[in-house]
Amino acid sequence: GAVVSQHPSRVICKSGTSVKIECRSLDFQATTMFWYRQFPKQSLMLMATSNEGSKATYEQGVEKDKFLINHASLTLSTLTVTSAHPEDSSFYICSASDSGGTDTQYFGPGTRLTVL
Amino acid sequence: GQNIDQPTEMTATEGAIVQINCTYQTSGFNGLFWYQQHAGEAPTFLSYNVLDGLEEKGRFSSFLSRSKGYSYLLLKELQMKDSASYLCAAYTGGFKTIFGAGTRLFVKA
Repeated sequence: GAVVSQHPSRVICKSGTSVKIECRSLDFQATTMFWYRQFPKQSLMLMATSNEGSKATYEQGVEKDKFLINHASLTLSTLTVTSAHPEDSSFYICSASDSGGTDTQYFGPGTRLTVL
Repeated sequence: GQNIDQPTEMTATEGAIVQINCTYQTSGFNGLFWYQQHAGEAPTFLSYNVLDGLEEKGRFSSFLSRSKGYSYLLLKELQMKDSASYLCAAYTGGFKTIFGAGTRLFVKA
């Protein structure tokens, strides 16, 4: 149980293009989903928290117009990196919780984004 | 401020026992997570401690002392596949989980 999928697992794109990453909870309804990014040998950095049907809450320093998050259903959240630049290259990981964020977060397998 | 401290790296021998320590200072605290993360992969859940004391789960055990802001993860009968990063994370409530930088564990034969 508690499986979270992420698609795509890897993406390479040109600078200036937009990339959409999907995060799905496969066997539970995710009240809350979280988006993280992780640079090599560094910790997970929370980007935003999203609750189904409402606007995402972004962490300080994260540009909401650049990282668009949509949590349209209890099983799907998407992160769109708009006008990607090389400095956006990172490992993006989503996680989902089924208890309003009070319990365990189950992580997706991550998406490695490389912007050329 | 929010601060999670854990050692950067540790090395241990196959079959041995290793303890990974974590101290935390957070504004608000509900519980302490431990996750395992292999290189290039997402973290996988190991344990969640809310109450003080030791919780054992197979070869892995996790301990929490809320008064001391301290936790440790104990790995017994180490196997090569245990080589990974171990992340300590404090759940502070309000959908906030603060992650430590992780401890890279190297298991040698």
